[in-house]
Amino acid sequence: QVQLQESGPGLVKPSATLSLTCAVSGASISSNNWWSWVRQPPGKGLEWIGEISHIGNTNYNPSLKSRVTMSVDTSKNHFSLTLTSVTAADTAVYYCARAYAILGIYYFDYWGQGTLVTVSS
Amino acid sequence: EIVLTQSPGTLSLSPGERATLSCRASQSVSSSYSAWYQLKPGQAPRLLIYGASSRATGIPDRFSGSGSGTDFTLTISRLEPEDFAVYYCQHYGSSPPGLTFGGGTRVEIK
Repeated sequence: QVQLQESGPGLVKPSATLSLTCAVSGASISSNNWWSWVRQPPGKGLEWIGEISHIGNTNYNPSLKSRVTMSVDTSKNHFSLTLTSVTAADTAVYYCARAYAILGIYYFDYWGQGTLVTVSS
Repeated sequence: EIVLTQSPGTLSLSPGERATLSCRASQSVSSSYSAWYQLKPGQAPRLLIYGASSRATGIPDRFSGSGSGTDFTLTISRLEPEDFAVYYCQHYGSSPPGLTFGGGTRVEIK
């Protein structure tokens, strides 16, 4: 059974860097999938942040691209997100997800439970 | 950049009724890269439909998806109490690579 679990600080100060990790179990992060981050600000909809492949190729949301970096650690079977210069607008529940992107199809088949990150001093 | 517009924003229905949710893309998109998710408070999003019309594993057959081009629909044939939630459509574009969600439709108990 594939499981994803987000971890990281629940409170980040304005202008600081947000860092989250997603631990993957039940599947190898080196498999032919993409690994994504999605967030949901309070009272708003889902927003795709970006994705990374097991060899480190990345695609980011253009609106966040200048502040986002994703990385993957195959030895630990996890991937990570860093978001710099955060503001209150970055307060959200952050989800990690596995994207099934094979044979011309794309969807998220497994998700983490989500972790709330609040940006506040 | 593709924009997905979901309508209505809120759907007020009673258990047993039929729900029809719409997702319109700002330009023609590939059905293969379209999907629908259900989101409940405190839970992870749940994949319902992929490839516009294929049900994900374990999804009841009261959920169905259809559409192509710019117009996609999620239908719940008979609402069960556990179906009251927020639903999002999704599309992944390959050139340039990137993913968009619709703004969501809340299905609430009337």
